[in-house]
Amino acid sequence: GENVEQHPSTLSVQEGDSAVIKCTYSDSASNYFPWYKQELGKGPQLIIDIRSNVGEKKDQRIAVTLNKTAKHFSLHITETQPEDSAVYFCAATDNTGGFKTIFGAGTRLFVKA
Amino acid sequence: DGGITQSPKYLFRKEGQNVTLSCEQNLNHDAMYWYRQDPGQGLRLIYYSQIVNDFQKGDIAEGYSVSREKKESFPLTVTSAQKNPTAFYLCASSAPGANVLTFGAGSRLTVL
Repeated sequence: GENVEQHPSTLSVQEGDSAVIKCTYSDSASNYFPWYKQELGKGPQLIIDIRSNVGEKKDQRIAVTLNKTAKHFSLHITETQPEDSAVYFCAATDNTGGFKTIFGAGTRLFVKA
Repeated sequence: DGGITQSPKYLFRKEGQNVTLSCEQNLNHDAMYWYRQDPGQGLRLIYYSQIVNDFQKGDIAEGYSVSREKKESFPLTVTSAQKNPTAFYLCASSAPGANVLTFGAGSRLTVL
């Protein structure tokens, strides 16, 4: 089955700097890679996703890149702000359904003002 | 506003007691899920249901039970057979054919 590894587990950056979180997956059948942000005391919320036919996707200050050959995908946050502080989860799945979604262990991002 | 409501937000129980966590959605989603979240670990799937009156075990179903009598509701019972029940429990749902998960705010269960 699918296995998703996520690094680093904790990331601390200064406000205005960039943050990068990296994930690897094992199942070549995976073709959908969402990223979820979880704020303290809340459930995760989808912030960006990428499908396997695309190499990069941007949405304002966040971007995701995918390298299918290496089975790597990454989340990039530019010009970080204190409100970006949260736990971020990467995930991988195929077209079968949401139940096939496998999550990484999460990255706790601290943005220092 | 459409969304998922989980209750209670915090729950304390004594060892050996069964507890039931509520999950209600008004998104008209067919599929619903229960995940367990432990510190430093990703979300692990307990049970899922793709349609009313049907549900399937996830990766860590032992010690848990569910029902799906209504489309809107997917309650989770943590039984006394669950060896380490203290955790944060998340309910989610998804639209037909979609992989995007919508999560509730979670329920934190502490067993004393």
